[in-house]
Amino acid sequence: DAGVIQSPRHEVTEMGQEVTLRCKPISGHNSLFWYRQTMMRGLELLIYFNNNVPIDDSGMPEDRFSAKMPNASFSTLKIQPSEPRDSAVYFCASSSNRGGGRAWVDTQYFGPGTRLTVL
Amino acid sequence: KQEVTQIPAALSVPEGENLVLNCSFTDSAIYNLQWFRQDPGKGLTSLLLIQSSQREQTSGRLNASLDKSSGRSTLYIAASQPGDSATYLCAVKGGSEKLVFGKGTKLTVNP
Repeated sequence: DAGVIQSPRHEVTEMGQEVTLRCKPISGHNSLFWYRQTMMRGLELLIYFNNNVPIDDSGMPEDRFSAKMPNASFSTLKIQPSEPRDSAVYFCASSSNRGGGRAWVDTQYFGPGTRLTVL
Repeated sequence: KQEVTQIPAALSVPEGENLVLNCSFTDSAIYNLQWFRQDPGKGLTSLLLIQSSQREQTSGRLNASLDKSSGRSTLYIAASQPGDSATYLCAVKGGSEKLVFGKGTKLTVNP
């Protein structure tokens, strides 16, 4: 298996532009997580999906952020409009929920991340 | 609100030394605790997962312990090697169903 795939690996954009980050989870995994990592705040969970349904989006910082999971093999995280303070590394992770609804029983597998720079 | 602290933030040791990384958390009502490794420019790799009912887990030269009542975990690395150089993060899963991460300890093993 290729693992969790994220694209692009690097994104440089100007303030006000729309940014779309993409993630392909590991085949067969039914939970997907979006994280943001910065030096100041460390690694923070933004949102997670279980069986393509958003379960908890309380970590999404503002309405400028939105995430979708149209099918089991694809998810997007969109920022519109982007701001310099959104600069960070964004990780996607997936796991297999064998716990009958407890998405955290199994180990999460992380993608390589997307380094976003907003000028 | 759960808070996870890792001390020290950075550690440099000579090759071959045994070392301990520390993790503490404020809310002892956790479901499990995980240790991850992060290499520069890459994602996280899970090393060990300890369920709340367990006291320790071992994998090769790594041993992780958990003392839930005191809110502490340690990651012991035996006979460290330059290839162990990375940032090590611990994360706890608690009642809020979220993984809360520490900021990590950056380990450098010098040949």
